[in-house]
Amino acid sequence: EVQLVESGGGLVQPGGSLRLSCAASGFSFSSYGMSWVRQAPGKGLEWVSGIRGSGGNTYYADSVKGRFTISRDNSRNTLYLQMNSLRAEDTAVYYCAKAQAEVGKNWFDPWGQGTLVTVSS
Amino acid sequence: EIVMTQSPATLSVSPGERATLSCRASQGVSSFLAWYQQKPGQAPRLLIYGPSTRATGIPARFSGSGSGTEFTLTISSLQSEDFAVYYCQQYSIWPLTFGGGTTVEIK
Repeated sequence: EVQLVESGGGLVQPGGSLRLSCAASGFSFSSYGMSWVRQAPGKGLEWVSGIRGSGGNTYYADSVKGRFTISRDNSRNTLYLQMNSLRAEDTAVYYCAKAQAEVGKNWFDPWGQGTLVTVSS
Repeated sequence: EIVMTQSPATLSVSPGERATLSCRASQGVSSFLAWYQQKPGQAPRLLIYGPSTRATGIPARFSGSGSGTEFTLTISSLQSEDFAVYYCQQYSIWPLTFGGGTTVEIK
């Protein structure tokens, strides 16, 4: 069974940093692209960042470009999102999601359960 | 960036009735369109991709159609478990983008 388990969320002050992790199991992790998708309280889904299975190419939404960094450790089957210079508008539940091919430009299935990031003083 | 627009924002439907949800892309995405269902407190669940292929385990009452810029998700006979929020997503080009969602509520 494919499983994605996010961790690392919490309360952080504006301007602070946080690193999210997503532990994957049940599939050949390096063969699939992965993405982070967030959802602000009461709002819709916003794609944040994606990475190819090899880790060689990364992609970002304009709203986080230059502040967030996506990476992966294929030896540990883990996806990361380093978030710097956090703003109040980054407050959201962050989901990791599995793409359907190595390139990562796909639909997502499955999704993790999400981890809540709250940016507030 | 491709903007995805869903309509209506809210759809009120009685159980057993048909629901038709629309998704429009600001530029053509060919067939690279997926639909998701999300219930309160849960992660989104893939319903349809490509844009008419049902994901594993999705009932036949869910169907998708369209290409280019206009897409439709149809639920043929709404069951109680289908009342939820539905999102479309394009995966034609980066950045990937989602529509704002359609809430299907009980009439």
